[in-house]
Amino acid sequence: RKEVEQDPGPFNVPEGATVAFNCTYSNSASQSFFWYRQDCRKEPKLLMSVYSSGNEDGRFTAQLNRASQYISLLIRDSKLSDSATYLCVVNGRWMNTGFQKLVFGTGTRLLVSP
Amino acid sequence: DAGITQSPRYKITETGRQVTLMCHQTWSHSYMFWYRQDLGHGLRLIYYSAAADITDKGEVPDGYVVSRSKTENFPLTLESATRSQTSVYFCASSFSQVDYGYTFGSGTRLTVV
Repeated sequence: RKEVEQDPGPFNVPEGATVAFNCTYSNSASQSFFWYRQDCRKEPKLLMSVYSSGNEDGRFTAQLNRASQYISLLIRDSKLSDSATYLCVVNGRWMNTGFQKLVFGTGTRLLVSP
Repeated sequence: DAGITQSPRYKITETGRQVTLMCHQTWSHSYMFWYRQDLGHGLRLIYYSAAADITDKGEVPDGYVVSRSKTENFPLTLESATRSQTSVYFCASSFSQVDYGYTFGSGTRLTVV
C-alpha cells in the first residue's frame, strides 16, 4: 500500500465552483500534514499546513481525520488561477537512520474553466 | 539572492557522461534533499542530508552521488548518465525534518541522449 494516495483526477470545474480533494495516508503515527500546489513544469510550493482542528486560509480549507487517516482540501469560489496539481504531503515512518521524511502524494490535477 | 537556487535550469548530456547539478540555499537550513519527478511516479527522494558532511540514501539513489562539505551547498552528481535518468530534478531544504514542510528550488530539467 502506498504511504500517501490521491485521486489523480483531473477534476474539471467551472469558475466559481467548490471542489474538494481527499488524500489517504497509511502511517497512523503521522503528525505533520501539508498541501502543496504545483504548476505545470514548476516546483511544488507549500499551500498550507493541515492542523488537527482544521484550518482555513481564504478560499482554502484543510481538514484532518485521524480516525480514518485522510486529509482533505476544499477550494471555494474556484478561480482560473487555481488550475494546478495539488500534492498531499504527510510525514512518513521513522527510517533506520533515525530520520523522518515527508512523503509526497502523486497529486490531484485541477482544471478550472471559464 | 535569498532562497534556494538550482543550476543549470536545463541540461542535455550524453549517455555515459558525468554531470553535476548544483543546489545552493541561503537560509542555513540543516536539511537538504534531492528529488526526481517523473510522470506516474511523483516525487521520489534520491538523497538527503541532515547537516554538512551527513548524507544518506533515499528511495532511488543508484547512479547518483552527493556531497555536502558546506551547509549551503548540496550538489548531485550523476556518475555515468543513463537515459533512465532523464527527469526533472528538484532540490529542497528545511530547518526541521518534517514540522514545517520543505522549500523547493525551481528545478533542473535533465535530458540524457
